[in-house]
Amino acid sequence: KQEVTQIPAALSVPEGENLVLNCSFTDSAIYNLQWFRQDPGKGLTSLLLIQSSQREQTSGRLNASLDKSSGRSTLYIAASQPGDSATYLCAVIGFEKLTFGTGTRLTIIP
Amino acid sequence: NAGVTQTPKFQVLKTGQSMTLQCAQDMNHEYMSWYRQDPGMGLRLIHYSVGAGITDQGEVPNGYNVSRSTTEDFPLRLLSAAPSQTSVYFCASSQGMDRVSYEQYFGPGTRLTVT
Repeated sequence: KQEVTQIPAALSVPEGENLVLNCSFTDSAIYNLQWFRQDPGKGLTSLLLIQSSQREQTSGRLNASLDKSSGRSTLYIAASQPGDSATYLCAVIGFEKLTFGTGTRLTIIP
Repeated sequence: NAGVTQTPKFQVLKTGQSMTLQCAQDMNHEYMSWYRQDPGMGLRLIHYSVGAGITDQGEVPNGYNVSRSTTEDFPLRLLSAAPSQTSVYFCASSQGMDRVSYEQYFGPGTRLTVT
């Protein structure tokens, strides 16, 4: 059974800093990995999708990497802003199913 | 495109009542799924469908039924609501979940409280 872990569960950093969020998974037989953002009381917003053949994907200030062999993905956020405060979820996409981590709650301190 | 839509946004039920959570997508996606999100437990898969007429169970299917009569719609039925089903429910869709998987799109969620 696939298990996805996100550590830390919560993170606070001052505005302007660069930061890295971590996601690890136990079964490397995945198709893709997707990072989401969730604001309090809201739905999930897709940030980046990394296909299993890719090692990284970039969108604006966000960069996600994937290392299938070690079962790890990271989400790098450059020059953090207060608007980046949210919960970040990673989801591993296998055959017919997604498995989610429990998320990292990020707070950017102005 | 409206994307993935869910109704209602909020619902309060009494124990034992039944109801249907609606989910629709207008992207002609083959794959649709239902998740529940609970504090400390993340999102867990309830049921999913890889196409019209095909459904399968996820991680936590007990107490829920689904059907997929059209590509666009994937309703989730609670047969006899229990307080343990108090949760936020999300519907999702994607182009496919086969050898090549695609980006997942999520609806805004339904907040359900069972008293």
